[in-house]
Amino acid sequence: KAGVTQTPRYLIKTRGQQVTLSCSPISGHRSVSWYQQTPGQGLQFLFEYFSETQRNKGNFPGRFSGRQFSNSRSEMNVSTLELGDSALYLCASSTDRAYTEAFFGQGTRLTVV
Amino acid sequence: LAKTTQPISMDSYEGQEVNITCSHNNIATNDYITWYQQFPSQGPRFIIQGYKTKVTNEVASLFIPADRKSSTLSLPRVSLSDTAVYYCLVGSISSGSARQLTFGSGTQLTVLP
Repeated sequence: KAGVTQTPRYLIKTRGQQVTLSCSPISGHRSVSWYQQTPGQGLQFLFEYFSETQRNKGNFPGRFSGRQFSNSRSEMNVSTLELGDSALYLCASSTDRAYTEAFFGQGTRLTVV
Repeated sequence: LAKTTQPISMDSYEGQEVNITCSHNNIATNDYITWYQQFPSQGPRFIIQGYKTKVTNEVASLFIPADRKSSTLSLPRVSLSDTAVYYCLVGSISSGSARQLTFGSGTQLTVLP
């Protein structure tokens, strides 16, 4: 079956702009989580959605938001971009019963200039 | 969530067996131990998960002693393509738990020819 698909793969934005990243989970997976990975902070949890509801949120400012659609596809949005938002953004999908066995996409590399 | 400690880096040669140990002294009764592998600029990939004793799949083995305060990921006969960062995670997979994967710093495994 198809894996987790994230689009776009690469993105360059200017400070102050906003960006929307997309994630299509594995068919049948209703849990979608987002992570930020930077060399300095490693992999950090952003938020998790299940059946269009945010169930859990990490310690990130309100500029980071997300949503999930009825087909389980998810988007995350970052407003008023800062240089420090440059990172690899990863999406993971899983079933509700096997949350720790998550399937990650290849990520979106965001560069803020 | 239980904190994990693993070596920052390890070197090995092709064809050798590699054992990466993870310490998790505060593991809770409901916690499982999960290992992920990550190549540069890719999302982490689930390798193996266990609760106690030994678990084996086509990729690796996971050894967990009776006290569960540590675990060892064993990779048989590594090849150059096994060069990656390996993460040990500890957490509950039950439906009522906080659904986020907490990644530590991981172990950079370098396989030499």
